[in-house]
Formats: sequence, structure tokens, C-alpha cells
Amino acid sequence: DARVTQTPRDKVTEMGQEVTMRCQPILGHNTVFWYRQTMKQGLELLAYFRNRAPLDDSGMPKDRFSAEMPDATLATLKIQPSEPRDSAVYFCASGLVLAGDYNEQFFGPGTRLTVL
Amino acid sequence: SQQGEEDPQALSIQEGENATMNCSYKTSINNLQWYRQNSGRGLVHLILIRSNEREKHSGRLRVTLDTSKKSSSLLITASRAADTASYFCATPRTGRRALTFGSGTRLQVQP
Repeated sequence: DARVTQTPRDKVTEMGQEVTMRCQPILGHNTVFWYRQTMKQGLELLAYFRNRAPLDDSGMPKDRFSAEMPDATLATLKIQPSEPRDSAVYFCASGLVLAGDYNEQFFGPGTRLTVL
Repeated sequence: SQQGEEDPQALSIQEGENATMNCSYKTSINNLQWYRQNSGRGLVHLILIRSNEREKHSGRLRVTLDTSKKSSSLLITASRAADTASYFCATPRTGRRALTFGSGTRLQVQP
């Protein structure tokens, strides 16, 4: 049963600390998405990759957030330094997006981040 | 800005009743998707309807799409307590291979 996995599931940290979230997409999917969900803003797209290349990271605060895909089985989202306003649930999703079409996205369970 | 907006924001019904949620969007689309999110979990894809389709069924789910009104509806028939969740519509972002999600409808099904 293929699924997207994310680690850690919960993270509590202090302001100013570095936070790294990891995601393992479903094998064979060519697109990976990072979302952030808060009560106030809802579900926001932060960045996404196609075949490991970053396509769009316009949703991310550039000065503190960075997203990478070092290989096809790992995507990372890093926040340095973290701030209380970064507290949210961060979701990774993957999908097989073919030319001219949009297919379903498969979401991981999320990382609940609390920055004190 | 949010492309899709769901209505109502919250809905409470009794088990066995039907639940209808609506989604409005702003720009032309080639498909629209509905997702469900149980509390504390990730989103799960329910159904995709293409712009040349007017209605689609999947089990107890029925989705309609009216491209002239830029709106879609999700109907859950004979609801169950297990249907309690938030439901989101998602539309493709203009010029990008990504989705924009609405703010969701929180459905509570009372047993």
C-alpha cells in the first residue's frame, strides 16, 4: 500500500532554531508538493518539484525557508531560523503529473510544528 | 488568493441525511477535484471531474460541475458518522501544474 511518509510527525522547538522536515514521496511519482495549513490561512502551497527540479517556490518566505530534493526518494523543507508564526501543519504531497493533465495528489500525514 | 471557495463553511446533519457542499471558482479550469480531510490527518482525494463532464458518481458521492456558473457541488448521500470531516475543492492554478484549495466545509454527521 504505497503512501507518502513524513517525519517528524510532531516538532516543538524554540524560536530561532533550525527545523528540518522530511518527506518520502510515492515511488514513481514525478511531482512533490509542500503545503502549510493553518486555521487562519487554510492550505497554502509553499513549493513544488517536478522530476526533482524546483518549479515554483513563490509561496515560501525566501529568507528563512528552503526546499530541496536531494534524490527521488527524499524531499526536505527547512526553516532557519524558525519563528512562532511558522507554527502550522506542514504537508507533503506527491503525484504523477503528465503533460496537459492534472492528476490526484497523495498527501502525507503532516508534520505539526510548534515554535515557542 | 483562493481559487475555490466552499459553501457552507460548516454543516451539521443527522446520520442518514444527505449533505451538499458547494464550491465556486473564478477562472476557467480543465478539471476540479474534491478532497476530504479527517481531523489530524492529510487530505485524501475523493473524485476528479473534468470540464467536459457535468456529473460524476463514486459510491455515495455525486459531483456536479457547471462551468457556465463556475461552480461545483459535492453530494454525500445517506451520510454516516464516519463522513465527519472537512471537504475541500481544488482547482488547477493558472499556468501551473499545481492546485489551489478552498477553505473547506466542515461536515459533522451526528449519529
